[in-house]
Amino acid sequence: EDQVTQSPEALRLQEGESSSLNCSYTVSGLRGLFWYRQDPGKGPEFLFTLYSAGEEKEKERLKATLTKKESFLHITAPKPEDSATYLCAVQAEKTSGSRLTFGEGTQLTVNP
Amino acid sequence: DGGITQSPKYLFRKEGQNVTLSCEQNLNHDAMYWYRQDPGQGLRLIYYSQIVNDFQKGDIAEGYSVSREKKESFPLTVTSAQKNPTAFYLCASSIGLRLSSYEQYFGPGTRLTVT
Repeated sequence: EDQVTQSPEALRLQEGESSSLNCSYTVSGLRGLFWYRQDPGKGPEFLFTLYSAGEEKEKERLKATLTKKESFLHITAPKPEDSATYLCAVQAEKTSGSRLTFGEGTQLTVNP
Repeated sequence: DGGITQSPKYLFRKEGQNVTLSCEQNLNHDAMYWYRQDPGQGLRLIYYSQIVNDFQKGDIAEGYSVSREKKESFPLTVTSAQKNPTAFYLCASSIGLRLSSYEQYFGPGTRLTVT
């Protein structure tokens, strides 16, 4: 069974204080790992897809990295507008169709 | 603008009533999905469809039903058999199996409250 565990559950940072969010996964053959951002009361917004260990992707203050067991979402010099819940999901090679397995998310708060 | 629309944003129903949530996409995506999100929990898959006139149960399909008569539309019915229907419902779509990228794009969600 595919599993995704995100840590920490919640993270409070001061503006400009860089940190990382963790996504550990267990899957029988990874087809892709996905990061999403979700604001309260809204649908998740797609951020990144990572396909293989060693891959990195960047967008503004965010950088996602991938190893064979986990992914990190690094946030550099965060701003209050980066406050949101960040979701990680995996898709297995053998999965039926293109369904994803999601973690429970990390709720990030950036204080000014 | 291309995207996914869900309506209504908020929905209130009495216990024992069936209710249908709308999901429409104009992204020309083959695959569509329904998720349920409860406070402090991740997204749980209810149903998904990879092609018109075909759909599969997800992890928590009991008490729900769907149809896929058109590529653009994937309505979800929450039946009276669903024991705890109050939740935030999210619809998503993806290109499907035609390309290597399988990310899903989400609609704005419908918050259903049943009393």
